[in-house]
Amino acid sequence: KAGVTQTPRYLIKTRGQQVTLSCSPISGHRSVSWYQQTPGQGLQFLFEYFSETQRNKGNFPGRFSGRQFSNSRSEMNVSTLELGDSALYLCASSSKPSGSSTDTQYFGPGTRLTVL
Amino acid sequence: AQSVTQLGSHVSVSEGALVLLRCNYSSSVPPYLFWYVQYPNQGLQLLLKYTTGATLVKGINGFEAEFKKSETSFHLTKPSAHMSDAAEYFCAVSDLRSNTGKLIFGQGTTLQVKP
Repeated sequence: KAGVTQTPRYLIKTRGQQVTLSCSPISGHRSVSWYQQTPGQGLQFLFEYFSETQRNKGNFPGRFSGRQFSNSRSEMNVSTLELGDSALYLCASSSKPSGSSTDTQYFGPGTRLTVL
Repeated sequence: AQSVTQLGSHVSVSEGALVLLRCNYSSSVPPYLFWYVQYPNQGLQLLLKYTTGATLVKGINGFEAEFKKSETSFHLTKPSAHMSDAAEYFCAVSDLRSNTGKLIFGQGTTLQVKP
């Protein structure tokens, strides 16, 4: 079974631009979560989608948004990029139909975003 | 609020020596706990998890962890370090308030293995 895939793997943008990152979960997984990883703040939860509905959202500004499609693929968008948005963005998928705290989350390789 | 503290941002051991990575959590209810490993330029790989039942959990690559409620700890151990174990390790707890898959991570511990 193929793992979680994320595209693109690397991205360079300039301040003020917007960016869209894509995540394809493991086949059959309906829950997708996004995390931001930076050296200073570590791993921080952005949001989680299940069956096209946002179930949970972290403490990030409204410039960060996401969506999930009927095939469970997910995208996250960051508008008006700032230097501090430079990070590794990780996507994770899980399988339990209800989505629960015991779910095992399987992570993709991440998208490395650099904002100049 | 739930939180995770990993003691020691860097741990260095010799090849063949015991690996001990420390994790303490804060939770008002019995937690679900996880250890993940991250190799350079890669995502996170699950090593092991504790939900309920046996408090000694065995994972992949010879790692294990013991849930100790009285000490609010979930330390990760491996009897004999291998060079390939050099990576960053993250302890995480599920956010039980949301009852979703949201994970709260510790700051990570970088394991260095010396030949």
